[in-house]
Amino acid sequence: EPEVTQTPSHQVTQMGQEVILRCVPISNHLYFYWYRQILGQKVEFLVSFYNNEISEKSEIFDDQFSVERPDGSNFTLKIRSTKLEDSAMYFCASSRAFTYEQYFGPGTRLTVT
Amino acid sequence: SQELEQSPQSLIVQEGKNLTINCTSSKTLYGLYWYKQKYGEGLIFLMMLQKGGEEKSHEKITAKLDEKKQQSSLHITASQPSHAGIYLCGADIGAGGTSYGKLTFGQGTILTVHP
Repeated sequence: EPEVTQTPSHQVTQMGQEVILRCVPISNHLYFYWYRQILGQKVEFLVSFYNNEISEKSEIFDDQFSVERPDGSNFTLKIRSTKLEDSAMYFCASSRAFTYEQYFGPGTRLTVT
Repeated sequence: SQELEQSPQSLIVQEGKNLTINCTSSKTLYGLYWYKQKYGEGLIFLMMLQKGGEEKSHEKITAKLDEKKQQSSLHITASQPSHAGIYLCGADIGAGGTSYGKLTFGQGTILTVHP
């Protein structure tokens, strides 16, 4: 069964460093998303992406964040200068359309020290 | 107030018992999704409901979306230890479904099933 994969599973970085989180969406999906979940809190939407453009972003998704589809299979989230409060589990998801079910990856746990 | 509120926050049941988890919104739900999460892991898709009055079942889990599309319930029949985990409802509560896939999530319900 096709699934969304994410790498790395855990990333530790120092405050101020840049990190890139990688995702491989399900192959026939064209709509992609990033969410995050701070420990003990709700899952929060960050951004949706279609046709090489951001479709929707939340207030969390400020200038420190960017997304890219560098090739036909990967979808990345970059955080330019990490802060302590960026520590969270980051989930990638994909779907066949905006109104279809979203399938989530296993997540990348980002720890900023 | 919370945009999407789940109740109860946690639930402990004996194996074999039935249970219900609710998800309530103050706004119209244009798409309602149920996911299961194990602690520290990803979200596993269970079911999606879009039409008022819709009901879907998968194995021993049934989900309903009420006619007014502001509340959903997830019902598990004859619970098993494998049902244990965190159940999350997620919804498109944008205006007219134009939220470009943005899902708003409830805080989750932690289910424990004792054998």
